[in-house]
Amino acid sequence: EAGVVQSPRYKIIEKKQPVAFWCNPISGHNTLYWYRQNLGQGPELLIRYENEEAVDDSQLPKDRFSAERLKGVDSTLKIQPAELGDSAVYLCASSGPGQGAPEQYFGPGTRLTVT
Amino acid sequence: GENVEQHPSTLSVQEGDSAVIKCTYSDSASNYFPWYKQELGKGPQLIIDIRSNVGEKKDQRIAVTLNKTAKHFSLHITETQPEDSAVYFCAASISYNFNKFYFGSGTKLNVKP
Repeated sequence: EAGVVQSPRYKIIEKKQPVAFWCNPISGHNTLYWYRQNLGQGPELLIRYENEEAVDDSQLPKDRFSAERLKGVDSTLKIQPAELGDSAVYLCASSGPGQGAPEQYFGPGTRLTVT
Repeated sequence: GENVEQHPSTLSVQEGDSAVIKCTYSDSASNYFPWYKQELGKGPQLIIDIRSNVGEKKDQRIAVTLNKTAKHFSLHITETQPEDSAVYFCAASISYNFNKFYFGSGTKLNVKP
């Protein structure tokens, strides 16, 4: 079974440019997460989807970040315009339905460098 | 919200020795505690987890212990091998919001052959 797929794996852009990341979760997983991981830190949640509904976006900088999960499957995270401080690894994760705390499965991440 | 602290930030051990990584949490409502291993260039991978109705859980060379009273939990790796070298993250999930996870800042484990 394929894991969580993310693309691109690496992206280098100049500040003020837009950038988009794509994630395809594990088949059947209705919960999708976007995390940002700064160097030497743990992942920090940006947004969480339950199917196509964003149920937790309290940490998403909405002035420049946006996300969508049309049809409740794959998802896109966008930054416009990017700032130097946005350089980080952007991780996508998914988890399946069920009772109790779910197991999260992470993708390999997209390493963003803003110059 | 929940605050998870993890120590040490780096840990170097000799192959065959044991390694222990500790985490504390602040919200007594947290009741699910996973541990992740992250290798260079990869996403975190779940290696073991524990729920609050259990004090200890083992899986071959790794084990996790939980002390709910003191609000801390630990990862124990025995008979370490070079392939155990990675960054390890603890996390906590709150009972009324199972799908939200709070991560520690990570421990870089180096196992010297």
